[in-house]
Amino acid sequence: GENVEQHPSTLSVQEGDSAVIKCTYSDSASNYFPWYKQELGKRPQLIIDIRSNVGEKKDQRIAVTLNKTAKHFSLHITETQPEDSAVYFCAASFYNQGGKLIFGQGTELSVKP
Amino acid sequence: NAGVTQTPKFQVLKTGQSMTLQCAQDMNHEYMSWYRQDPGMGLRLIHYSVGAGITDQGEVPNGYNVSRSTTEDFPLRLLSAAPSQTSVYFCASSRSGTGGEKLFFGSGTQLSVL
Repeated sequence: GENVEQHPSTLSVQEGDSAVIKCTYSDSASNYFPWYKQELGKRPQLIIDIRSNVGEKKDQRIAVTLNKTAKHFSLHITETQPEDSAVYFCAASFYNQGGKLIFGQGTELSVKP
Repeated sequence: NAGVTQTPKFQVLKTGQSMTLQCAQDMNHEYMSWYRQDPGMGLRLIHYSVGAGITDQGEVPNGYNVSRSTTEDFPLRLLSAAPSQTSVYFCASSRSGTGGEKLFFGSGTQLSVL
């Protein structure tokens, strides 16, 4: 069945360093790949997304890259700040199954001042 | 515009009890879904709907029922609660029933089954 694998499960960086989170997906028909950020005790919020016809997308300090051939995509956060500390989830949308969204297991990012 | 509203926020059940988690959205969204969140396991899809009268199973549907009689409402029913259903439940909606759209999440329901 559909599957999204996310690594690492935890990531600790110093303030100002970069952070990279990687995901792989199983269904080659997937065409939409969002990333969500969840702060402690709160609901997930969309931070960036990419579609299958685009290889890279940037929004200020956040970027996402997609490699369709290898079926993997990554989140890059540059110049990390303490407020970036949260759990990040990748997801893939399986267009040929009503657009349902399957999430990865999550990465707990800790940015140390 | 309240977005996605979930009730209750907290609930404690005894094993074998049944209950319904309520979810309503006021954005005229076609797509609605239910996820459960457990530590280390991310957000797992329980059931989803691409429009009124249409529902389908997600990754972990066993023990849960849904219906979608209106565009606005998508209740989740636990038929006979088990301790394994202790979790945080999120309802989420998006504009399009064909995918590729931002998901709007409710504030969550923390459920404990004793």
